[in-house]
Amino acid sequence: NAGVTQTPKFQVLKTGQSMTLQCAQDMNHEYMSWYRQDPGMGLRLIHYSVGAGITDQGEVPNGYNVSRSTTEDFPLRLLSAAPSQTSVYFCASRTSGVETQYFGPGTRLLVL
Amino acid sequence: KNEVEQSPQNLTAQEGEFITINCSYSVGISALHWLQQHPGGGIVSLFMLSSGKKKHGRLIATINIQEKHSSLHITASHPRDSAVYICAVRYGNKLVFGAGTILRVKS
Repeated sequence: NAGVTQTPKFQVLKTGQSMTLQCAQDMNHEYMSWYRQDPGMGLRLIHYSVGAGITDQGEVPNGYNVSRSTTEDFPLRLLSAAPSQTSVYFCASRTSGVETQYFGPGTRLLVL
Repeated sequence: KNEVEQSPQNLTAQEGEFITINCSYSVGISALHWLQQHPGGGIVSLFMLSSGKKKHGRLIATINIQEKHSSLHITASHPRDSAVYICAVRYGNKLVFGAGTILRVKS
């Protein structure tokens, strides 16, 4: 199993550009989540999904969209990038009834 | 809203020392996680606790539900233990994370 994969590893955007951060898992996990990690702060939940076709907002959803058309994929879209979205983004997944979360390697995003 | 506080924020130890990292939270939870983030950035799950104590190798995690407090202990610390240790609590359908404790173990 590849586990949780994320692409790209690193991205530089200009303010106003859009992009999609990809996340995929091959463990058939129902739950998937996107977090951002900023210096001095804990990981903060952006959006999450409890299954294909079902998504919900987390703590900091503004400026981000998600969709979950398949169990495997959970892309995160930045509609119009802002410097405040400079961060490291982590995708995570887990299966229902099991607490252990599996994290992807992260995407480092810089918005100029 | 659940607040998760970790202490200390930074910790430097000599190889072989016993290390304790603390985590406090503000409201009742269903589970508490300890995670490790290495300098390369990857995050791995160490423990999940809902009560009592768990041990894995040189790592021991305890939780006191009444006091809303958990500790992570590392016995006989080693430079390879240098990492960020993160506490997270399950609150409904979501995890709420502490800011992390940066541990450096010197040889």
